[in-house]
Amino acid sequence: GAGVSQSPSNKVTEKGKDVELRCDPISGHTALYWYRQSLGQGLEFLIYFQGNSAPDKSGLPSDRFSAERTGGSVSTLTIQRTQQEDSAVYLCASSFGTGYSNQPQHFGDGTRLSIL
Amino acid sequence: DAKTTQPPSMDCAEGRAANLPCNHSTISGNEYVYWYRQIHSQGPQYIIHGLKNNETNEMASLIITEDRKSSTLILPHATLRDTAVYYCIVRVDSGGSNYKLTFGKGTLLTVNP
Repeated sequence: GAGVSQSPSNKVTEKGKDVELRCDPISGHTALYWYRQSLGQGLEFLIYFQGNSAPDKSGLPSDRFSAERTGGSVSTLTIQRTQQEDSAVYLCASSFGTGYSNQPQHFGDGTRLSIL
Repeated sequence: DAKTTQPPSMDCAEGRAANLPCNHSTISGNEYVYWYRQIHSQGPQYIIHGLKNNETNEMASLIITEDRKSSTLILPHATLRDTAVYYCIVRVDSGGSNYKLTFGKGTLLTVNP
């Protein structure tokens, strides 16, 4: 079965440009998460979607970051006016929702974002 | 979430069993033990999780001590492709914001030919 799919796998862009990162979760998973991982660092939580509930945006580092999830499936993370410190690997994960206790999160291979 | 302690690195010969330890002495009664790994340039990969009984799947076995203060992940026949950083996490999905995963430094397992 298909896992979490992310695109593009790599993105190089100039400082100040906007970027969109896409995540296609595992079919049937109602929960979707975005994290980022800087070189040699751990996971940094960004945002969480669960069904039709309001997303938890508490991890978004600034108002340049936004995300949406349309139709309860595909999600897009948008970074406006990119800065060099935005360079990182952006990871998406999905799972059965928290109604299914202790279900693991499954990750995609991420988008490696490089800001020149 | 309870804190975990793992050795920073381990080596294993190809074809042999790799036994990766994890200490979680402050684990709560309803916290599960999860294992993930991250191969270079890939996203974290879920391996296995358990509460108190030993668990086995197609990737690995998880042995949890009776007092639940430590566990061991066993890769029965390690291959070169198992070289990765392995993360042990203890957590419970009890609502709130417990879904925010955090990884410690993990164990770098190097499988040698």
